[in-house]
Amino acid sequence: EVQLVESGGGLVQPGGSLKLSCAASGFTFSNHWMSWVRQAPGKGLEWVVNLNPDGSEESCVDSVKGRFSISRDNAKDSLYLQMTSLRAEDTGVYYCARDWSDSSGRSLDNWGQGTLVTVSS
Amino acid sequence: DVQMTQSPSTLSASVGDRVTITCRASQSIRTWLAWHQQKPGKAPKLLIYKASSLESGVPSRFSGSGSGTEFTLTISSLQPDDFATYYCQHYNGNSRTFGQGTKVEIK
Repeated sequence: EVQLVESGGGLVQPGGSLKLSCAASGFTFSNHWMSWVRQAPGKGLEWVVNLNPDGSEESCVDSVKGRFSISRDNAKDSLYLQMTSLRAEDTGVYYCARDWSDSSGRSLDNWGQGTLVTVSS
Repeated sequence: DVQMTQSPSTLSASVGDRVTITCRASQSIRTWLAWHQQKPGKAPKLLIYKASSLESGVPSRFSGSGSGTEFTLTISSLQPDDFATYYCQHYNGNSRTFGQGTKVEIK
């Protein structure tokens, strides 16, 4: 069974930093792109960033460019999101999601339970 | 960047109704489109991938169609468990974009 478990969320002041982690199990982590998706309170889903299987290629939404950095450790089946220069509009639940692989043909087919990030003074 | 536009934003329907949600892409995404269902306080769940392929375990009353820029999600006979918010999502290339969501409410 595929499992994705996020951690690291919490309350942080504007301009601060936070690092989220996602522990993966139940599948071959090193075969898949992985994504972070967020959801502001009462709002829709927003894709944030993804990373290819060997960690050499990423894409992200314009609003986080230069502030957020995604990384992975395939030996530990783990995904990370380093967030800096945080703003109030970054507040929301952050989901880790399994993304594309050559064999699956699917995108965002498994999701974690989410971790809440609150940016407030 | 590809923009995704869903309609309607809210839909009121009764159990047993046939329901259709539309999603439009700002440029051709071929069939690289997924549909997700989300219930309050829960993570999203993949229903449809590659525009019309049903994810394993998803009831057959759900179906998807379309290609290029126009896509639809159809629920053939709405069940009580289907009242939720539905999102389309493109995956043409490396980036992803969601539609704004369609909330299916009880009439």
